[in-house]
Amino acid sequence: AQSVSQHNHHVILSEAASLELGCNYSYGGTVNLFWYVQYPGQHLQLLLKYFSGDPLVKGIKGFEAEFIKSKFSFNLRKPSVQWSDTAEYFCAVNASEGLTGGGNKLTFGTGTQLKVEL
Amino acid sequence: KAGVTQTPRYLIKTRGQQVTLSCSPISGHRSVSWYQQTPGQGLQFLFEYFSETQRNKGNFPGRFSGRQFSNSRSEMNVSTLELGDSALYLCASTRGEFLSTDTQYFGPGTRLTVL
Repeated sequence: AQSVSQHNHHVILSEAASLELGCNYSYGGTVNLFWYVQYPGQHLQLLLKYFSGDPLVKGIKGFEAEFIKSKFSFNLRKPSVQWSDTAEYFCAVNASEGLTGGGNKLTFGTGTQLKVEL
Repeated sequence: KAGVTQTPRYLIKTRGQQVTLSCSPISGHRSVSWYQQTPGQGLQFLFEYFSETQRNKGNFPGRFSGRQFSNSRSEMNVSTLELGDSALYLCASTRGEFLSTDTQYFGPGTRLTVL
C-alpha cells in the first residue's frame, strides 16, 4: 500500500523567505507525484506534478519540486514566498502501474499549513 | 469550461439517517473519484469510478457506496450515519484512465455534519 509523509504540519514564514516543504512516500513501484494547494475557502488546485523525465518540475506561481528517487522524496520549494501563498499544501502519490497499481487513486499526505506573515 | 460541481454544498443529518451526495464531473471526463477530508485523518480515498465501473475502493466500511451513471455523473451514499462521518466530501474528475497522462480536478466539496 502507498503512504505519504509530510513532516512539517505548520510552517510560518515572513514574506520573501524561501520555502521548502518535505514529502516522502512509501511505494516500491513507479509513481506519479503531485503537489496540491488549498487556499482558504477554495478548491484543491494542482500546483505541479511529476510522472517521468526531468526530476525537477516547475509549477504555477513560481513553485518547483524535485523528485529524488533514491530518497523517495518529492520536496516542494519556492525561493521567495508571498503573503498570498498562505494555504494548506498537500503532497500526493499515484501508483503508475495501470489499474492494478491505482488507476486514478491519489494517496495524500496529511498536509502542511503554511502561513506567510507580512 | 465548467469545473466539477457538487451538490448539495452543505448538509446536516442525524445519526442513523442516510445521505446521498452528487457530483458532476467536467464535461468529457470519464473518471470520478471521491475523498473524505477531516481534520484528524486528512484526505482519504473512498472510491473511483471509470465508465460506470468501480475500479478502486479505499478502506471504508460497506456503509459507504457509490455509483456512476452513463453521463459520468456520480453519487455516493452513506447509510446509517455515525458522528464520525462528519467531514468534507470531495469529488474529483479525470479525463482518462491514468494520472500519468492526466490531471485530477477537484470540486468544492459537500460539508456533511452528523448530529
